[in-house]
Amino acid sequence: EVQLVESGGGLVKPGGSLRLSCAASGFTFSSYSMNWVRQAPGKGLEWVSSISSSSSYIYYADSVKGRFTISRDNAKNSLYLQMNSLRAEDTAVYYCARVSGGTPDYWGQGTLVTVSS
Amino acid sequence: QPVLTQSSSASASLGSSVKLTCTLSSGHSSYIIAWHQQQPGKAPRYLMKLEGSGSYNKGSGVPDRFSGSSSGADRYLTISNLQSEDEADYYCETWDSNTRVFGGGTKLTVL
Repeated sequence: EVQLVESGGGLVKPGGSLRLSCAASGFTFSSYSMNWVRQAPGKGLEWVSSISSSSSYIYYADSVKGRFTISRDNAKNSLYLQMNSLRAEDTAVYYCARVSGGTPDYWGQGTLVTVSS
Repeated sequence: QPVLTQSSSASASLGSSVKLTCTLSSGHSSYIIAWHQQQPGKAPRYLMKLEGSGSYNKGSGVPDRFSGSSSGADRYLTISNLQSEDEADYYCETWDSNTRVFGGGTKLTVL
């Protein structure tokens, strides 16, 4: 069974940093691209970042470019999102998702990030 | 970059059928999309991938009541024999070489 479990969310002040993790199991993690997608309270889904299976290709939404860094450790079956210079508008539930055939086909349960003073 | 347009809300009666629409922006009518369901308070769930030809591939465990179809730039999700658990937000999504785009979502109410 495919499982994606996010952790690392919490309350952080504007300008602060946070590192999210996503632990994957039930599939060959090193064979799949992975994404981070977020959802602000009461809003829709917003793509944040993508990373290819071997980390060769990395992309970011314009809203986070230069502040967020996606990475992965295939030996640990883990995906990460380093978030720096956080803003109030980054407040959201952050989901990690496995990508297969171009689209997310499995989603984690999400972790809440709240940016507030 | 493609843009996806969805109606903000829809409603239908228990046991009936509903057809949700996702429209691709001009110049992107051939794009493949995916449909995702998000029940209240839960994470999104992948439903299916849908091509411009109308061919679709559903995710694991998605009931037969869910089907997809296409016409031009429009991509449809049809839910038959509506159940109470189908009350949810439905998002269409597509992707390009270096980006991914979601529609605004349709909130489906089962009456």
